[in-house]
This record gives sequence, C-alpha cells and structure tokens, in this order.
Amino acid sequence: QITLKESGPTLVKPTQTLTLTCSFSGFSLSTREVGVAWIRQPPGKALEWLALIYWDDDKRYSPSLRTRLTITKDSSRDQVVLTMTNMDPTDTATYFCAHRRAAWTGTFYFDHWGQGTRVTVAS
Amino acid sequence: QPALTQPASVSGSPGQSITISCTGTDSDIGIFNSVSWYRQDADAAPKLLISDVNRPSGVSDRFASSTSGNTASLTISGLQADDEAEYFCGSYGSGTTHYVFGTGTRVTVL
Repeated sequence: QITLKESGPTLVKPTQTLTLTCSFSGFSLSTREVGVAWIRQPPGKALEWLALIYWDDDKRYSPSLRTRLTITKDSSRDQVVLTMTNMDPTDTATYFCAHRRAAWTGTFYFDHWGQGTRVTVAS
Repeated sequence: QPALTQPASVSGSPGQSITISCTGTDSDIGIFNSVSWYRQDADAAPKLLISDVNRPSGVSDRFASSTSGNTASLTISGLQADDEAEYFCGSYGSGTTHYVFGTGTRVTVL
C-alpha cells in the first residue's frame, strides 16, 4: 500500500525559504520508473505541477519556477524534499506530493497523493 | 506555466450524461494523446480517476475518457449526486513543460 505524507512549516515570511518533506512508504525511489512529484494548489484555484524527481535522480521543474525550486531525494529514508526560495504571499497554497507511475503510452500520471500541507506566506 | 483549458463548471440532472473538455496543445495532449483525470472533493487531496483510458480499481465504469487531437474529454454517464466534485485533467508535456494540469471543472448535480 502506497502512502505519502507532507510535512513542513504552516507559516513562512516573505523572502524566506520554504522546505517541505514528503515521507512515503509502499514503494522505493530506487526502483526503475518510479518518481515523486510536488504539486500545489492556491486556495480556490487549480493544481500546479512544481517538480518531479526520478529513481535515477533525474529532476524536472516547472519552467516558471525553476530558478526558485530544488528537489532532492533520500532513498534510504524514503523521503523527498522540496525547497522553494524567496517566498511570496502568492505562494500561499496547499502543497501535495504524489507518486508518479509510468503509463504504457510512455507518459505518466499520479496515482497516489499525500493529504497535502497548507503553507501561508505572510509577515 | 500554461494550463490545459477546462470549462469552469458543468452541471446536469441525475441520470444524465455530461462531458468535460480539456484542451491542450500540440506539445502536450496533441503529441501523446494521453490524458489523466483527477477528482477532488472539497478540502481533500486529488484522487486519480482515469489514467489514459484506464480506470483504477474501484472507479465506476460510468467514467470514460477519450482524446481527439489536442482535446480530451471526460464523460460521466448516469450522473449521481455523489459525482459532485472538482475535476482536473493532466498531461505529460514535451519540452520544458514536463507536466501540466487543467484549470479545473466544478461538476454540479441539479
């Protein structure tokens, strides 16, 4: 059974750096084709894909946020960490991590999600 | 980051069928003809509803997905009150946009 859970601060100040941790179980990030993504959702708005890290340490970022994001993994601890620099009130959102599963088409989708962690950016 | 375009809301009466469109570009839906659909209830995390044309175990066969060109569609047949939720499409993208979500559609059962 795959589970994921996000953790991190609920409140950060503008210009600070946000660090979020995704702790997972039921799969290994050392297994081929496996990946873990971060996705966020501002209140009342749409989902936004942020970053994804693969089993082989390949990393992909949202083009609009790539200069502010860093994603890393610790396969031995079954964790993925996302850092986002220079936080702004517009970054207020619920942040989710999700398990990436390869599709037969050569693409992929997110089949398991964490419950999300709400982050507010305010002074 | 450009998002896939969905109607903001779709509604229908119980028993009816409704269709939610998801319009992308030649760099995402159009190139792979592969879209996933996610359902999100209020104050909850999204859940996978359909991956390509496949439904995870436990998802009703009242939900079906199709793609044509740069547009994907989710059809809900036999609409039920329990189908009220927000629905998002998602697609793998070529180039720098590795993955993109839709703008979301609120389904209301009248």
